[in-house]
Amino acid sequence: DTGVSQDPRHKITKRGQNVTFRCDPISEHNRLYWYRQTLGQGPEFLTYFQNEAQLEKSRLLSDRFSAERPKGSFSTLEIQRTEQGDSAMYLCASSPDRWTETQYFGPGTRLLVL
Amino acid sequence: AQKITQTQPGMFVQEKEAVTLDCTYDTSDPSYGLFWYKQPSSGEMIFLIYQGSYDQQNATEGRYSLNFQKARKSANLVISASQLGDSAMYFCAMREGRVERDDKIIFGKGTRLHILP
Repeated sequence: DTGVSQDPRHKITKRGQNVTFRCDPISEHNRLYWYRQTLGQGPEFLTYFQNEAQLEKSRLLSDRFSAERPKGSFSTLEIQRTEQGDSAMYLCASSPDRWTETQYFGPGTRLLVL
Repeated sequence: AQKITQTQPGMFVQEKEAVTLDCTYDTSDPSYGLFWYKQPSSGEMIFLIYQGSYDQQNATEGRYSLNFQKARKSANLVISASQLGDSAMYFCAMREGRVERDDKIIFGKGTRLHILP
C-alpha cells in the first residue's frame, strides 16, 4: 500500500508565475486535504474535498489559489501570480472517511518564490 | 485565541530518558479528537497517536502514550526510552466534531525535540 504522494517535491519560481502541485491520495481514500506550512509554524488548513466535491475553503485561500479534484482521485493546487509570501511547504493529506481517526500526510511540496 | 498551545519551543533530552511534550487545547465542542504528529527534517508529517474525547483510557502506541486530562484540557505526549531517531518536530493537533462539513485538523506551533547521545 503506497502512501500519499506529491509532485513536485520542490519548486522554485519567480514572482508572478503560476505553479501547480499534484497530490495522489492513498487508494480509496475519499477525503483529501491541503495544508500550508510556513517556517516555524504548524500546518494551516487550506481546503478539503470529499470525493470530487470541495466542501470547505479557508480564508487563507485567496482568489489566486484554486484546487480541484475532478474525478475524486488525485487533486491539483494551483497558485496564480505567485508572491514571495506564498513560499511555504504545501502538504496534502487523505483519509478514508469522516470518522477515521487519522489524516495521512504526503511528503509535501516545498515552494520558493524568488 | 489559540486552539492548540504548545509551550515548549524546544527540548533537549538525554537518550533513553522519557520525555513529556506539553499540549493544551481549547474547544467548546464535546466531540473532538486529539492527535500527535512527528515531522522529521525530511518534512513529512508522521501520525503517532490519537485520543478521542470520549475515550475512557489514555491512548498508547508502542513507546508513545497520550496523557489525556480532559478537565484540564491537556493532551501531553509521553515518549518512553527516547532514541536518537526521535529527534524531530512534534505537533499536537485537534479535530472538532461540530458539523459534517467542518473537517480540518488544527495544529499547534510545535516542539522541537533534540535527543542527546
